[in-house]
Amino acid sequence: KAGVTQTPRYLIKTRGQQVTLSCSPISGHRSVSWYQQTPGQGLQFLFEYFSETQRNKGNFPGRFSGRQFSNSRSEMNVSTLELGDSALYLCASSFLRDRNTEAFFGQGTRLTVV
Amino acid sequence: TQLLEQSPQFLSIQEGENLTVYCNSSSVFSSLQWYRQEPGEGPVLLVTVVTGGEVKKLKRLTFQFGDARKDSSLHITAAQPGDTGLYLCAGAARSSNYKLTFGKGTLLTVNP
Repeated sequence: KAGVTQTPRYLIKTRGQQVTLSCSPISGHRSVSWYQQTPGQGLQFLFEYFSETQRNKGNFPGRFSGRQFSNSRSEMNVSTLELGDSALYLCASSFLRDRNTEAFFGQGTRLTVV
Repeated sequence: TQLLEQSPQFLSIQEGENLTVYCNSSSVFSSLQWYRQEPGEGPVLLVTVVTGGEVKKLKRLTFQFGDARKDSSLHITAAQPGDTGLYLCAGAARSSNYKLTFGKGTLLTVNP
């Protein structure tokens, strides 16, 4: 059974550009969550999608957006990139969203903004 | 907003030593999970605990969920260099629609 796949693994962008990251969840998983990980702030929740609907949203500016497709694949987009957006972006998939939620993470996309 | 505080933030020990890391909150969680993350990789789920007072063992790792479901601990016996990594706890609460809240992690280094 394939795990969570994130593409690309590494990305270098310049300030002001936009970027789109992709996540393919484990087959059968309908929930996809996105996190930003930085050394100072740890793992911070961006948003969660379940069956193409955004169910939860973290405290990030509107430059961060996402969507989920009918096959559960998800994308996140960051517009007008800032230096502070440099981070490891992680995607996690879950079968359900309940008290026994177990998240399975991809390897992440390392975004560097210069 | 649920917050999870992990301690210590950094831990460097010698191979063969025992250690305990802690995950504390003022909020009640329906479940709590522990992950290990290696550099450049995503976190890997180690265990999920759901019942207050629950203890789970995974080889040399022992996980405990507090009676009140507000805290958890991870104990490693006879640590090995392969245990090196960032240990993260994450809680899910019904009040936040079971969104996982992560602690900032404990960075463990086991020296040979």
